[in-house]
Amino acid sequence: GAGVSQSPSNKVTEKGKDVELRCDPISGHTALYWYRQSLGQGLEFLIYFQGNSAPDKSGLPSDRFSAERTGGSVSTLTIQRTQQEDSAVYLCASSLYRGVQETQYFGPGTRLLVL
Amino acid sequence: GDSVTQMEGPVTLSEEAFLTINCTYTATGYPSLFWYVQYPGEGLQLLLKATKADDKGSNKGFEATYRKETTSFHLEKGSVQVSDSAVYFCALSSWEYGNKLVFGAGTILRVKS
Repeated sequence: GAGVSQSPSNKVTEKGKDVELRCDPISGHTALYWYRQSLGQGLEFLIYFQGNSAPDKSGLPSDRFSAERTGGSVSTLTIQRTQQEDSAVYLCASSLYRGVQETQYFGPGTRLLVL
Repeated sequence: GDSVTQMEGPVTLSEEAFLTINCTYTATGYPSLFWYVQYPGEGLQLLLKATKADDKGSNKGFEATYRKETTSFHLEKGSVQVSDSAVYFCALSSWEYGNKLVFGAGTILRVKS
């Protein structure tokens, strides 16, 4: 079956612009996670969804970052007024359920470059 | 909070050499432990996992044993191939930390023919 997909695969934007990153999880997966991979910070958790609710937003670095999930499926991560330090690879993952033993399946990521 | 420490790379080996990548963790509860691999130009893939103490995860010739007494989950392979060249990430997931994955910094493995 289809894995996790993300779009766009690459995004170049100018400082101050808003960007939207999309994630399509594996069908039927109830839990969805966003992570960020950057050279300086490694792999960091951003936000977690269970269904359409986000019980854990603790990793969002600032109020410029927001995310939503609709229909228990597609999720969008929005970065407003982008800064150069936002440049990173944004990864989405999904798992069948929320659980410590559950495997998270990752998408290919969106590479964001802020000029 | 929970954390994962893995050996710094890059690790450079000749084909058929034995591989060990060390990983230790700090967690307040009873985490599950994972090794993910990222091949050049590709996304993160689960390599193996272990969900309780003394469990051994294995896949593609790689294995790792969950050692609670030493809080370790070292990755081993008896004979590496050029195709194993990748970045390897150790990670944990725990109830106390909300089931999010906490990753180590990653170890680059380069295998020469």
